Amino acid sequence: NAGVTQTPKFQVLKTGQSMTLQCAQDMNHEYMSWYRQDPGMGLRLIHYSVGAGITDQGEVPNGYNVSRSTTEDFPLRLLSAAPSQTSVYFCASSYSIGPTSYEQYFGPGTRLTVT
Amino acid sequence: GIQVEQSPPDLILQEGANSTLRCNFSDSVNNLQWFHQNPWGQLINLFYIPSGTKQNGRLSATTVATERYSLLYISSSQTTDSGVYFCAVGKRSNDYKLSFGAGTTVTVRA
Repeated sequence: NAGVTQTPKFQVLKTGQSMTLQCAQDMNHEYMSWYRQDPGMGLRLIHYSVGAGITDQGEVPNGYNVSRSTTEDFPLRLLSAAPSQTSVYFCASSYSIGPTSYEQYFGPGTRLTVT
Repeated sequence: GIQVEQSPPDLILQEGANSTLRCNFSDSVNNLQWFHQNPWGQLINLFYIPSGTKQNGRLSATTVATERYSLLYISSSQTTDSGVYFCAVGKRSNDYKLSFGAGTTVTVRA
């Protein structure tokens, strides 16, 4: 298993540009989520999905869009990049048994700089 | 949302020393994980431990859910233990939404 994969590893955008960060997992996990990590801080939840076709907002959703058309993929879209979105982005997935989810596994991260 | 506090914020150790990291949280949780973020930024799963005690080599963790805290023990520290240690919790009602603490930065000197 490759686990959770993210592309690209690094990206530089100009203010106002849009782009999509890719995330895929091959563990057949129901839950997937996106977090951002700013310097000196823990991770904060942007958006999450409890299954294909179901997404919801996390703690810091503004400026980001997500969709989940398959179990494996969960892309994160930046609609109009701003310098405040400079951060490291992590994708995560976890399995569930009934209503309880379990250990989350994180991808390697995407380092995004917006100039 | 749930508040997660980690202490101490920074820890400097001599190789071979033991240490204890603490995580306090403000609500009942169904999910608690400890991660190590290495100097390359990778998040490595250490423990999934919503309650009880677990050990993995030189590392062990204990969560006392009723008193809302968890402890991570590092014994005989090595330079490769350097990095940031995060505690993350998920509330009972939606345990897949993790809230992270600010982390403890550990530096192990040879």
